[in-house]
Amino acid sequence: GAGVSQSPSNKVTEKGKDVELRCDPISGHTALYWYRQRLGQGLEFLIYFQGNSAPDKSGLPSDRFSAERTGESVSTLTIQRTQQEDSAVYLCASSFSQVLNEQFFGPGTRLTVL
Amino acid sequence: EDQVTQSPEALRLQEGESSSLNCSYTVSGLRGLFWYRQDPGKGPEFLFTLYSAGEEKEKERLKATLTKKESFLHITAPKPEDSATYLCAVPDISSGSARQLTFGSGTQLTVLP
Repeated sequence: GAGVSQSPSNKVTEKGKDVELRCDPISGHTALYWYRQRLGQGLEFLIYFQGNSAPDKSGLPSDRFSAERTGESVSTLTIQRTQQEDSAVYLCASSFSQVLNEQFFGPGTRLTVL
Repeated sequence: EDQVTQSPEALRLQEGESSSLNCSYTVSGLRGLFWYRQDPGKGPEFLFTLYSAGEEKEKERLKATLTKKESFLHITAPKPEDSATYLCAVPDISSGSARQLTFGSGTQLTVLP
């Protein structure tokens, strides 16, 4: 079946602009995660959604970052007033939630803030 | 704070030259350790989950093992197509959900023909 998809694959924006990144999880996966990966570094957790429960936002680096998810479908990550340090690859993953399970990742969105 | 440290940062091998990658962690009450492979420009691809010390899992030329403090990813007779960055991760039990993963910074493996 289809894997996790993300769009756009690349985004170049100017400092101060807002950007919106999209993630389509695997059908049937109730858990959805956003991570950030800076060049040459590991993945940093940003936010976690599980069904209709309140999201775990503990990894969001500032109030410029927000994310939404409607039910168990598409999620959007919004970064307001982008800064150069926001440049990174933003990865989305989904998983079944019944047990702690492997997360399946999308290809990521490469964000470049000029 | 939970930490995951991978070594070496980079490893160059000749085709057929076996070696091991290390992932050490400082987590109390480990609830699984995950290994992923990441190719350039792509998201991580799941390889293995290990849950208890002594556990081993194999897939093709890869074998993952787990002790109480570290995990090893053994690569036997590697081929150039095994070239990738290998990431390990553990669940962050300090979070309420224990669902987020704490990743190491990875080992970049290059296998030369």
